[in-house]
Amino acid sequence: AQSVTQLGSHVSVSEGALVLLRCNYSSSVPPYLFWYVQYPNQGLQLLLKYTSAATLVKGINGFEAEFKKSETSFHLTKPSAHMSDAAEYFCAVSEGQGAQKLVFGQGTRLTINP
Amino acid sequence: DTAVSQTPKYLVTQMGNDKSIKCEQNLGHDTMYWYKQDSKKFLKIMFSYNNKELIINETVPNRFSPKSPDKAHLNLHINSLELGDSAVYFCASSQSLTGNTIYFGEGSWLTVV
Repeated sequence: AQSVTQLGSHVSVSEGALVLLRCNYSSSVPPYLFWYVQYPNQGLQLLLKYTSAATLVKGINGFEAEFKKSETSFHLTKPSAHMSDAAEYFCAVSEGQGAQKLVFGQGTRLTINP
Repeated sequence: DTAVSQTPKYLVTQMGNDKSIKCEQNLGHDTMYWYKQDSKKFLKIMFSYNNKELIINETVPNRFSPKSPDKAHLNLHINSLELGDSAVYFCASSQSLTGNTIYFGEGSWLTVV
């Protein structure tokens, strides 16, 4: 069965610094991978997705992620953090073809220091 | 227009009550889902429906009964609510079972007291 591990339940960076949120997955089939963001008391918004095309995926709000099969990783990065990036970030892998059943990691809370 | 909308957004109710959460999507998608987010923010799928047909039922207690009157609607009815049912329930949809993007609603915050 597919699974996702997000390293670090809480990441804190300074405004303007690099953001790196780590995600490792386990999948018996070529995976579809996703990053979602959840702002306080709001729903989940898709940041980006990997669906077996380009390994470097660009998403919204300046985020990008790189799929590395050899490392079974899909880390999320942003070159320069903004205060508005403070939120909970979830990595997910699909179980089965497409995104019909998402298995989520436990989430990483990103805090931005002024 | 909100793509996936669910009501109510907040619900506080007593143990033992029966409550429903409604969900509608205006994206023309065939597949809809219910996910549960617990107090530790862990997200897990509960159900999925494709064209009104149940596809996934993730060992959810039978007090939870989803109903899909048409492919644009997937409601969640919960009987005999328990304290442990307190959570955020997210409705979601995708174009098809093999669609590669799931769109989530804003969530329904259920508190059982």
